[in-house]
Amino acid sequence: AQTVTQSQPEMSVQEAETVTLSCTYDTSESDYYLFWYKQPPSRQMILVIRQEAYKQQNATENRFSVNFQKAAKSFSLKISDSQLGDAAMYFCALYSGNTPLVFGKGTRLSVIA
Amino acid sequence: GAVVSQHPSWVICKSGTSVKIECRSLDFQATTMFWYRQFPKQSLMLMATSNEGSKATYEQGVEKDKFLINHASLTLSTLTVTSAHPEDSSFYICSGRLAGGPGEQFFGPGTRLTVL
Repeated sequence: AQTVTQSQPEMSVQEAETVTLSCTYDTSESDYYLFWYKQPPSRQMILVIRQEAYKQQNATENRFSVNFQKAAKSFSLKISDSQLGDAAMYFCALYSGNTPLVFGKGTRLSVIA
Repeated sequence: GAVVSQHPSWVICKSGTSVKIECRSLDFQATTMFWYRQFPKQSLMLMATSNEGSKATYEQGVEKDKFLINHASLTLSTLTVTSAHPEDSSFYICSGRLAGGPGEQFFGPGTRLTVL
């Protein structure tokens, strides 16, 4: 069975600072993808970043980057220069074996002005 | 990214009536679509997976006769909540997946259903 665990229900960060959201996962598949989705108050799910398991290089999208530790099955999200608009629920998700995405329970991020 | 629309964005209905929610992939063909239910401050709960032209696969505990899913084309899936009751009140989200893609799902904006 595939699982995704987000151990931080809530996090907060000062505006312009950096924050890291944690995610661990488990899968027996060798080929898989990992994602971070953002769900702001509007509740529209937005893809933040994607990582292919076969790539060693960590994915980066502007202020968002990941630390992908394959052996440890860890996939954390780093948000640099945090902005008020980054306040949202963040979900880590796993895809493998042509199955639906498996989501973690989410981390609620607050940004303090 | 690819765009998914949902209609209506919110609906209020009386207990015992049926409600249909439409999910459309606007600029891509979604061979697989997913329906989720989300309770406040919780993660998304997968209800069913539908492939175009095939019967939907429902998750354990989801009543297929109550939540009717039709995936008639590569761009349209519908969820019908039949004989709705107040406990069916929730936020429903659909998503579509590209065939042969890396597995990412593109989500609709959701539909808030309130059953009186």
